[in-house]
Amino acid sequence: DGGITQSPKYLFRKEGQNVTLSCEQNLNHDAMYWYRQDPGQGLRLIYYSQIVNDFQKGDIAEGYSVSREKKESFPLTVTSAQKNPTAFYLCASSMGTVTEAFFGQGTRLTVV
Amino acid sequence: GIQVEQSPPDLILQEGANSTLRCNFSDSVNNLQWFHQNPWGQLINLFYIPSGTKQNGRLSATTVATERYSLLYISSSQTTDSGVYFCARGANSGYALNFGKGTSLLVTP
Repeated sequence: DGGITQSPKYLFRKEGQNVTLSCEQNLNHDAMYWYRQDPGQGLRLIYYSQIVNDFQKGDIAEGYSVSREKKESFPLTVTSAQKNPTAFYLCASSMGTVTEAFFGQGTRLTVV
Repeated sequence: GIQVEQSPPDLILQEGANSTLRCNFSDSVNNLQWFHQNPWGQLINLFYIPSGTKQNGRLSATTVATERYSLLYISSSQTTDSGVYFCARGANSGYALNFGKGTSLLVTP
C-alpha cells in the first residue's frame, strides 16, 4: 500500500544521546516535512525538504538535523543539543508545498 | 509570523448535535487543510480546501480565502467524531503548512 511509514513508534533515549527517527514514503512525493507536537499543542515545523539534497529550517530547527539523500527518505536526528526532546514527532509528505499533505503515524520519543 | 487561529479551543456535544469549527488566518492562502487527530495521534485528512465548499458524508468545509477564514461543519455528531481537529494553512510555493492549536471535541452518548 502507498503511504508514509515512520519508525519506530516508540523510542526511549538516554539524556545526552543522539537518536535518529526514520520516515519513508512510497507516494513519489517531492516534498517532505518533520513536525513536533507537545501535549495539548498544535504541530510545529522542524525541517522541510522540497527536493532531494535540499532542505530548509522550520520554526524550531535548533537541536535537530536532517538529510535528504533519496526522494523516499527523510530521516530526522534529534541531537543532544535539543534541550527538551520528549515529544511526538510527525513526518509528512506532499507532491509540492501547496498540494495536499499526508502524515505518517508518528514516533513518540521519551528521554529518560 | 503567520497566524492560524482556531475556535473554539474545546467543545462538548451530545451525540446527534451539529457543530461548526472555525479557522482564521492572517495572510493569503494557497493551501488549506483540515485534519482529525485520532486517539493514537494519527492525523487523518478531512479536506484539502484552499477555496470553496466541499462535503464528505456528515462533514463539510468552506473556505472564504478573501475573508481569510475556513469553517468545518460536523452534522449529526457521533462519539467516533471525538478527537482534535486541526486547521493548517500553506502559502506560496516553497513554504510548509502552519497549524492552528486545534479544537478538542468530545461527543458524549
